Amino acid sequence: GESVGLHLPTLSVQEGDNSIINCAYSNSASDYFIWYKQESGKGPQFIIDIRSNMDKRQGQRVTVLLNKTVKHLSLQIAATQPGDSAVYFCAERRTGFQKLVFGTGTRLLVSP
Amino acid sequence: EAEVAQSPRYKITEKSQAVAFWCDPISGHATLYWYRQILGQGPELLVQFQDESVVDDSQLPKDRFSAERLKGVDSTLKIQPAELGDSAMYLCASSSSLGPYEQYFGPGTRLTVT
Repeated sequence: GESVGLHLPTLSVQEGDNSIINCAYSNSASDYFIWYKQESGKGPQFIIDIRSNMDKRQGQRVTVLLNKTVKHLSLQIAATQPGDSAVYFCAERRTGFQKLVFGTGTRLLVSP
Repeated sequence: EAEVAQSPRYKITEKSQAVAFWCDPISGHATLYWYRQILGQGPELLVQFQDESVVDDSQLPKDRFSAERLKGVDSTLKIQPAELGDSAMYLCASSSSLGPYEQYFGPGTRLTVT
C-alpha cells in the first residue's frame, strides 16, 4: 500500500551545522511533495514543496531534493538554529488527488 | 497574513459525551480538510470538502463522526459518542482550488477523552 516514511526518528545537531532530514515514499504515482515543520502544540507549518518534474528546489536556508529513481526526498537546512527544533514531516500527493499522505515525522533537536 | 482559525484549542470530555470542533479556513479557499493526528504520528485525513460538498470521507468513522460545511465556508466536525481512542489533535487545513494546492493548517484542537 501507500506509505511515506522517514529513516531517522530523531536528529540531533549543533547550532550552525547543516541538517539533512530524509524521507522515503513508495507511491510512484505521486507528483507533489511537501515538507512541513510542526512545533509542539501547533499545527504543521508549510516549509517548501517540490513537483515531480523537478529534482531540486531552494528556499531560504532550506533545500529539498527529490530522487524519483529511488523514491527518496530530503530536506536540507543550512546553518541550523535553535528555532529550527521541531518535528518535520514529509507528505506526498498522488496525481489527480489533493489528499496528502504524511509520514510519521523526524524530530530535529538543535543544541546551542 | 491570513490564517486558518480553529476553536476550541483544548477540549476535555468524558467518554460517551458529544464534542464539536469548529474551523474557519483562509478566505477564498474552496477546499477544506479535517485531519486527526495521534501523538508522534503524522496527520491522517478524515474528510475533505470542496466548497460545501464532501469529496473524500473514506477514513471518517461514520458511526460516530460527522462533518459539515453548510455554506462552503466554515466547518464543524462532531464526535458522538466520544471514545477514549479519540484522544488526539484535530487539525483543520485549507487550500486554494487554483493550485499549487499547498495546504495551510490551523493550530488544532487537542481533545482528551477521559
